[in-house]
Amino acid sequence: AQSVAQPEDQVNVAEGNPLTVKCTYSVSGNPYLFWYVQYPNRGLQFLLKYITGDNLVKGSYGFEAEFNKSQTSFHLKKPSALVSDSALYFCAVRPRSYNTDKLIFGTGTRLQVFP
Amino acid sequence: DSGVTQTPKHLITATGQRVTLRCSPRSGDLSVYWYQQSLDQGLQFLIQYYNGEERAKGNILERFSAQQFPDLHSELNLSSLELGDSALYFCASSTAGTGADTQYFGPGTRLTVL
Repeated sequence: AQSVAQPEDQVNVAEGNPLTVKCTYSVSGNPYLFWYVQYPNRGLQFLLKYITGDNLVKGSYGFEAEFNKSQTSFHLKKPSALVSDSALYFCAVRPRSYNTDKLIFGTGTRLQVFP
Repeated sequence: DSGVTQTPKHLITATGQRVTLRCSPRSGDLSVYWYQQSLDQGLQFLIQYYNGEERAKGNILERFSAQQFPDLHSELNLSSLELGDSALYFCASSTAGTGADTQYFGPGTRLTVL
């Protein structure tokens, strides 16, 4: 079965420190990969996506993600965390082999940035 | 603001009732998706429409149905509601519905079934 794993329910980091939110996937082929962020009582906001090419993808608000094909991972990173980055982060994949554009989401990781 | 609008923001109703959730996609987007977010199931794809036609179905119950109208807005109809249908329902839209397209999400409709 196609699936996405976010192994950490919560990540805690001090403001100014680098952060990493992990994502691995089990999807056949070379899927498209996405990161979204959800703030309380808000919808999902698109951060970045990987289609092809450079393994390091840069996105909104200073976030970037590193694609690793051999490890089937797509970890979200930021060099210096802000308190305002505290939110729920979702990794999602869209298998290229599907005749549909549905996104398969991970369970989400809550990021808490402490001042 | 993603440009995707959803109404209503909140909906409280009783078991056995029927409700309709509405979504207006971003200007120019032809594809609309519906997702359900619940504590136990996470974010689940329900259904996708492209330019008025159903393109794909996910884990959508038979009690649920959707349509996309000629002006491209979409409605999700939920009937014979059960307590377990309480969730946040998101609509998303994308330009052409191809794999690399980014899906932009609306703010969601929070449904509470009492």
